[in-house]
Formats: sequence, C-alpha cells, structure tokens
Amino acid sequence: DAEITQSPRHKITETGRQVTLACHQTWNHNNMFWYRQDLGHGLRLIHYSYGVQDTNKGEVSDGYSVSRSNTEDLPLTLESAASSQTSVYFCASSDQAATSGNTIYFGEGSWLTVV
Amino acid sequence: GQNIDQPTEMTATEGAIVQINCTYQTSGFNGLFWYQQHAGEAPTFLSYNVLDGLEEKGRFSSFLSRSKGYSYLLLKELQMKDSASYLCAVRAWGNYQLIWGAGTKLIIKP
Repeated sequence: DAEITQSPRHKITETGRQVTLACHQTWNHNNMFWYRQDLGHGLRLIHYSYGVQDTNKGEVSDGYSVSRSNTEDLPLTLESAASSQTSVYFCASSDQAATSGNTIYFGEGSWLTVV
Repeated sequence: GQNIDQPTEMTATEGAIVQINCTYQTSGFNGLFWYQQHAGEAPTFLSYNVLDGLEEKGRFSSFLSRSKGYSYLLLKELQMKDSASYLCAVRAWGNYQLIWGAGTKLIIKP
C-alpha cells in the first residue's frame, strides 16, 4: 500500500545542533507539506512544495529549510535547533487531482525535543 | 482575513449524537475538510464538502453552507473510540494548502 513515512519518530537534541527530519511518500503525490502542531495553535504550515525543485515558505518558516530533489522526499532541516522548536512535526502530501479535493494525508509524526 | 472557528471542547455520552460546528472566513472557497486526530497520533481524513448540503458516511455526516460560511460534523451512535480531536480545514481558491481550525476535543462519557 502507498504510504507516507517519517523518521525519526522521536528525537532529543541539543540547542544549536542541526536536525533533519525525513519524509518519504510512495503515492507519487506532487504536493508535500510540513506542519508543526503545538497546544493552543493547531496545525501551522512550515514549508510546502508543489513539485521537484519547488519549495515555498509557510507561516512559521523561520529557522527551517526544505529541499525537493525528487517526488518522494521532502526533508525538513532545523538549521540551529532552539527550545521553541520543541514540537510534533507532521509531513503530509496530496495529489493535484481536483476530483479528489486534493485531500491531504499525513505521516505518523516526529516528536522533537530540544534541550 | 482568513479565520476558522470551532469550539475548543465538547462532551457527549456514549450512544448519543453530537454536532461539532465550524465557521470560516476565507478569501475564496474551494472545499472544506474534517479530520479526526486521536491523542498522540496523526490527523486522519474524515470528509470533504465542496457543494452545499449533507454528505453521509456511515455514522459520520458533514454539512456545508457556503453562503453562511458554516459547516458541521455530525457523529451518531457515539462510541468511546470517537474520543478525539476533530479538525476543520478550508481550502481557498487557487491553493493546495489548507487553513486549519484549532480543533475540537470531543470527550465521550459512558
């Protein structure tokens, strides 16, 4: 079955370290997204991509970067981890077929703690 | 501006019916989604409405009124496993992104 997987699922890192969260989808979806979810804020968009070599900033992109070198992967990098980036991160993808409503499907999440 | 409002928390009884409301304001409208999210898990897709009316899917139904900027999710024959957060999200025209509500935490009591 096609799916979207994230790794690592849980990570503890130190302030100032670079961290990369991996996201891999086998649906061949063009659209991929990274969200963070914190109590009281709901889902907030960090970065998104509509295809290979396309990346865009979301509402909370400061301190994060992404790259899209193929259809399947959109890794999220925290350049210099800060305690404010302790959160749960969700990768998601959707197709571009209007008939499906471009439904977004989520990975299982990556819990990141910055100490 | 763009905004989505839904109640923070609701409580209902096992076997009963509950309606979770969502109101939205967006610059153009191109579909409304409901997702279910159990604690510690990822959101999962429940329903999609783009035209006015009721969409029924088993115990769950979703209603949309575009003129009122209003939707509701109706859950029937509530089960303990329905205890979760329910997220309302809207897509604006020409956009693949979604605007997300903060979610409604539904607590089911025996």
